[in-house]
Amino acid sequence: QQQVKQSPQSLIVQKGGISIINCAYENTAFDYFPWYQQFPGKGPALLIAIRPDVSEKKEGRFTISFNKSAKQFSLHIMDSQPGDSATYFCAAALLYNNNDMRFGAGTRLTVKP
Amino acid sequence: EAGVTQFPSHSVIEKGQTVTLRCDPISGHDNLYWYRRVMGKEIKFLLHFVKESKQDESGMPNNRFLAERTGGTYSTLKVQPAELEDSGVYFCASSQPNRLGQYFGPGTRLTVT
Repeated sequence: QQQVKQSPQSLIVQKGGISIINCAYENTAFDYFPWYQQFPGKGPALLIAIRPDVSEKKEGRFTISFNKSAKQFSLHIMDSQPGDSATYFCAAALLYNNNDMRFGAGTRLTVKP
Repeated sequence: EAGVTQFPSHSVIEKGQTVTLRCDPISGHDNLYWYRRVMGKEIKFLLHFVKESKQDESGMPNNRFLAERTGGTYSTLKVQPAELEDSGVYFCASSQPNRLGQYFGPGTRLTVT
């Protein structure tokens, strides 16, 4: 049973466009929602994370929008660049037990120049 | 500061053989995690060490998998005997005590033929 559902599986965006990746979770006890970025041949790297006490967090061109009532959160990449092309994973975790991290299946983003 | 390292980067073995994967966490990181990603699926939690102790091994698929972390430094994950369904990318991650965010290694791609 997949506890975090991520969509789309793949995404192609033109340079300068907005990339949007969505995730939905089931366990309302989750209280930490990170996004990881993975380039080919590398491991996933923490990109940005949010706690459920805020509805949005922005770091540069990357923004997480969080909807606690809908149990959904999304990653927005503004002014997408070819260098953003990577696989993105959302995750949900329990802060008191941060080994209990559940990942989405990943979204392969391609930004065309 | 060196990141999380994993060895080998790629392993191809036949069904029934044994393989041992190694992970060297970031120095000073007491928490060490093993994950596995089967192609196109989510990254799944396998187990979590705190220093040399297994904190949680609820994600280990079966008793063909054995993880160790002698001395609380590097960790090994042995698969014996390997089955076809064990193929995938095995990630190791580490984190500091009481700190959010896990640092991932580049992964070991295991192919069982």
